[in-house]
Amino acid sequence: EAQVTQNPRYLITVTGKKLTVTCSQNMNHEYMSWYRQDPGLGLRQIYYSMNVEVTDKGDVPEGYKVSRKEKRNFPLILESPSPNQTSLYFCASSLFGGELFFGEGSRLTVL
Amino acid sequence: DAKTTQPTSMDCAEGRAANLPCNHSTISGNEYVYWYRQIHSQGPQYIIHGLKNNETNEMASLIITEDRKSSTLILPHATLRDTAVYYCIVRSNRGAGGTSYGKLTFGQGTILTVHP
Repeated sequence: EAQVTQNPRYLITVTGKKLTVTCSQNMNHEYMSWYRQDPGLGLRQIYYSMNVEVTDKGDVPEGYKVSRKEKRNFPLILESPSPNQTSLYFCASSLFGGELFFGEGSRLTVL
Repeated sequence: DAKTTQPTSMDCAEGRAANLPCNHSTISGNEYVYWYRQIHSQGPQYIIHGLKNNETNEMASLIITEDRKSSTLILPHATLRDTAVYYCIVRSNRGAGGTSYGKLTFGQGTILTVHP
């Protein structure tokens, strides 16, 4: 089954404790991206990757890092999480500029 | 990628057609119009897309104006399960000669409420 898998789905952590949210897709898509969703603000793009080793900033990249060492994986790294990064996060992938496939979301709470 | 403008919310009676508008006045020639919907806090789900011709699939129809500056998503017989947030985005596609399909702006979308 074609899918985008995010882990963890739910996480409560404390300020400053590094964490990684993983994203994996099984559709051989070149394009992958991360979004955060906050009440009243819709989906905002954090980072995207057009292909392996190619990443670029979206609209809200501050406080986040990404890497794309393999085509199927695109982890989101929070080096020093802060409470304002409490949010619902989505990963998505697509074949070039085609239909986006989204993961089920990761709800992160930073205390 | 060009940005889009959508109404914040809309209502629709069950069984009636829901017509959701989207303005994309700065769309460029190689950009497609894509529609997604998000039910509760689930991952957004693809509905339909088009370049300049009207499109129809099992979920919806997409009407794009001749100048391509706006479009309408039509759910022909809305059900309670169609209550969701609907997002319209524009995105270039390599198949149409586009290369700038990386950065995307979703906006806040339209909250569609279907009532009995």
